[in-house]
Amino acid sequence: AQSVSQHNHHVILSEAASLELGCNYSYGGTVNLFWYVQYPGQHLQLLLKYFSGDPLVKGIKGFEAEFIKSKFSFNLRKPSVQWSDTAEYFCAVGRGGSQGNLIFGKGTKLSVKP
Amino acid sequence: GAGVSQTPSNKVTEKGKYVELRCDPISGHTALYWYRQSLGQGPEFLIYFQGTGAADDSGLPNDRFFAVRPEGSVSTLKIQRTERGDSAVYLCASSRLAGGPLEQYFGPGTRLTVT
Repeated sequence: AQSVSQHNHHVILSEAASLELGCNYSYGGTVNLFWYVQYPGQHLQLLLKYFSGDPLVKGIKGFEAEFIKSKFSFNLRKPSVQWSDTAEYFCAVGRGGSQGNLIFGKGTKLSVKP
Repeated sequence: GAGVSQTPSNKVTEKGKYVELRCDPISGHTALYWYRQSLGQGPEFLIYFQGTGAADDSGLPNDRFFAVRPEGSVSTLKIQRTERGDSAVYLCASSRLAGGPLEQYFGPGTRLTVT
């Protein structure tokens, strides 16, 4: 069965620090990859997505992620975090070419200290 | 435009009761998904509709759970004989129909508490 692993439960950073959140998935076929973010008191919002093409994808608010097929990874990065990035981040995987369900990781809570 | 809406936002019910949770997708979105999110976990897939029909209901945990989408728009998730373990946030998402994969837009969720 497909699964998604997010390595960190809770990450605490100071403002301006660099961020990398790990995401690994288990599925041998073509995948669609997503990072969603949930700000406090708000619903899940799409941060960025990868379907095909350039494995380095850029999302909103300065976030980017790199798909490394050989490592089954899709890590999220941001060079300099802000207090407003405090949120929970979810990696999700769907089967390529499909509009079906997404498999989510357990999420990583990011706390940014001002 | 308006996003995915879900009602009620909170529902408290007693063990053994029946509940209905409603989802109103983004206008024009033909695909609709239900997920369940327990504390400390990511969303877990329940069921997916393409139009009026359930394209994949493999995530429904047992036959106490049922969902409908009779006119291809609003969907209702129905839970019979609720149990304390059903307590969670129930999320609905929708996406447009197209030739390939598209992102899912999520609603705010319904927090169900079974006492």
